[in-house]
Amino acid sequence: AQSVAQPEDQVNVAEGNPLTVKCTYSVSGNPYLFWYVQYPNRGLQFLLKYITGDNLVKGSYGFEAEFNKSQTSFHLKKPSALVSDSALYFCAVRVSGNTGKLIFGQGTTLQVKP
Amino acid sequence: EPEVTQTPSHQVTQMGQEVILRCVPISNHLYFYWYRQILGQKVEFLVSFYNNEISEKSEIFDDQFSVERPDGSNFTLKIRSTKLEDSAMYFCASRRMTGERGTDTQYFGPGTRLTVL
Repeated sequence: AQSVAQPEDQVNVAEGNPLTVKCTYSVSGNPYLFWYVQYPNRGLQFLLKYITGDNLVKGSYGFEAEFNKSQTSFHLKKPSALVSDSALYFCAVRVSGNTGKLIFGQGTTLQVKP
Repeated sequence: EPEVTQTPSHQVTQMGQEVILRCVPISNHLYFYWYRQILGQKVEFLVSFYNNEISEKSEIFDDQFSVERPDGSNFTLKIRSTKLEDSAMYFCASRRMTGERGTDTQYFGPGTRLTVL
């Protein structure tokens, strides 16, 4: 069965420090991986995706993610956190097949303190 | 930048009542989805819709649920007889479907919070 795990319910980081939000996956076939962010009272906003090619993917708002096939991970990173990055972050994997449905991790709350 | 929109933002209903949640996908998108998120839990897939028919549905999407694209812009989710456990945030999403199937991005609406009393 295809699945996504985000092992941390919450990540706390000081403003200006690097941040990492972890994601591991289990899929059959090639993994298509996505990160979304949810701000309070807002929908899920697309940040970045890995389909193929370079293992380091750059996305919106200075975020990037590193695909690691051997560790089946797709961790979200940012070199310098901002207080405004505080939100709920979801990792997702596209299930094989034509419908393109996504399976989500349980989400990680990122708290950036000034 | 085009966005997926959803109405209402919050719907309160009595158990057993019918509700219709509405979505306007991005205009040139071809694939439409409903997901839901029960408070404190994962975002879960409900149904996908393409070419005016359901292409896939989850176990959650039982006979109480239906979807429709009544015109060229709206995409609706109907729950015929709501239960307490239907209380959740419901997200609509759409994608354009270009290139290799499924690799293009799904864009989500802001959600409708459904509260069943």
